[in-house]
Amino acid sequence: RKEVEQDPGPFNVPEGATVAFNCTYSNSASQSFFWYRQDCRKEPKLLMSVYSSGNEDGRFTAQLNRASQYISLLIRDSKLSDSATYLCVVNSASGNQFYFGTGTSLTVIP
Amino acid sequence: ETGVTQSPTHLIKTRGQQVTLRCSSQSGHNTVSWYQQALGQGPQFIFQYYREEENGRGNFPPRFSGLQFPNYSSELNVNALELDDSALYLCASSLAGGRASYEQYFGPGTRLTVT
Repeated sequence: RKEVEQDPGPFNVPEGATVAFNCTYSNSASQSFFWYRQDCRKEPKLLMSVYSSGNEDGRFTAQLNRASQYISLLIRDSKLSDSATYLCVVNSASGNQFYFGTGTSLTVIP
Repeated sequence: ETGVTQSPTHLIKTRGQQVTLRCSSQSGHNTVSWYQQALGQGPQFIFQYYREEENGRGNFPPRFSGLQFPNYSSELNVNALELDDSALYLCASSLAGGRASYEQYFGPGTRLTVT
């Protein structure tokens, strides 16, 4: 079983829509969780860390469900510039290995 | 920009050759991780270096090796290149200690093609 699994999509949504991505992880001892954004042929960029209490940054909300071992990312009022691949990342129990999902592709349509 | 730099940007090598990729960390960061990203896949963790020592390793064979220098810059060496080694190689720097230590900042990557 993969350490981290994501629905690869693609998700095609109109501008202004709300879209949600989920990511499941297999190691219940994982402690740190992140969402990264990757544009085509570019490096991943940290979007936000995911904390147990959930956290929000503008139009973006990330949540963690430890019982079900998944993290989610909600994007409200989608913009054309949100089009990218969104990667979820989970660290190992020891903290020094990081597992990326395969990424979920989002295209926001005018 | 993250301040993490990598060189070279692109590289073409022949099967069986050896390659060295370089990474300079963001100022103040003491930890470097290396990843391999094949087309259409997420980055795969190769290893991490902290204070010049390997601090964790993914499922990669020993022909993938690395170094970290006192200034926290790093090298990834790959021996006996195989066609499947063709990928984007990313380094990420972070600062060990505290929760923020797990936040990694990536360089632009080196695109390696093995023919």
